[in-house]
Amino acid sequence: QKEVEQNSGPLSVPEGAIASLNCTYSDRGSQSFFWYRQYSGKSPELIMFIYSNGDKEDGRFTAQLNKASQYVSLLIRDSQPSDSATYLCAVDANNLFFGTGTRLTVIP
Amino acid sequence: NAGVMQNPRHLVRRRGQEARLRCSPMKGHSHVYWYRQLPEEGLKFMVYLQKENIIDESGMPKERFSAEFPKEGPSILRIQQVVRGDSAAYFCASSRDRGGLSQPQHFGDGTRLSIL
Repeated sequence: QKEVEQNSGPLSVPEGAIASLNCTYSDRGSQSFFWYRQYSGKSPELIMFIYSNGDKEDGRFTAQLNKASQYVSLLIRDSQPSDSATYLCAVDANNLFFGTGTRLTVIP
Repeated sequence: NAGVMQNPRHLVRRRGQEARLRCSPMKGHSHVYWYRQLPEEGLKFMVYLQKENIIDESGMPKERFSAEFPKEGPSILRIQQVVRGDSAAYFCASSRDRGGLSQPQHFGDGTRLSIL
């Protein structure tokens, strides 16, 4: 059984702080990792994807991958109230397996 | 609109009826995926299709559910003899050719299916 684990939260951070979202996965053969944002009642929206160990930055978002530890994370710098959403980690192991998501609340 | 198009956005059916959900992938995308999301739960993979081929249907329930992606027209997810437990949001996603590494999947707005 291929599993993707996320802390369901809720994670609350003050506006302007760094939000750190974590994800672990079970399939060592996984090659591709994705972060999606989902607002309540809406569809998942792709934020970042990462294939190689290390950090990948895009604006306020940084994805971090450590394949040895089977761990992927998403950092959101200068968090804004509009970042309040559920963040889904997805791991590709033949097909895309999603975690249940972490609910983030950014407090103004 | 060049995004993934799903219709209808909302679908209400009575128990025992059939539900047909449609999905047109993004322009340039030839891979289509269907997912189901129950309230307060994660997305669950159902089926992966390319034109005229089902590549992986390991997430599809064995009965009542079927999917197709014909040469012309949208992909269709069909649920026969619906039951209350089929009530969920059904999302379609599409991607470019996979190649060596999976390409990002882009999601449609989903179809919210309600069974009376």
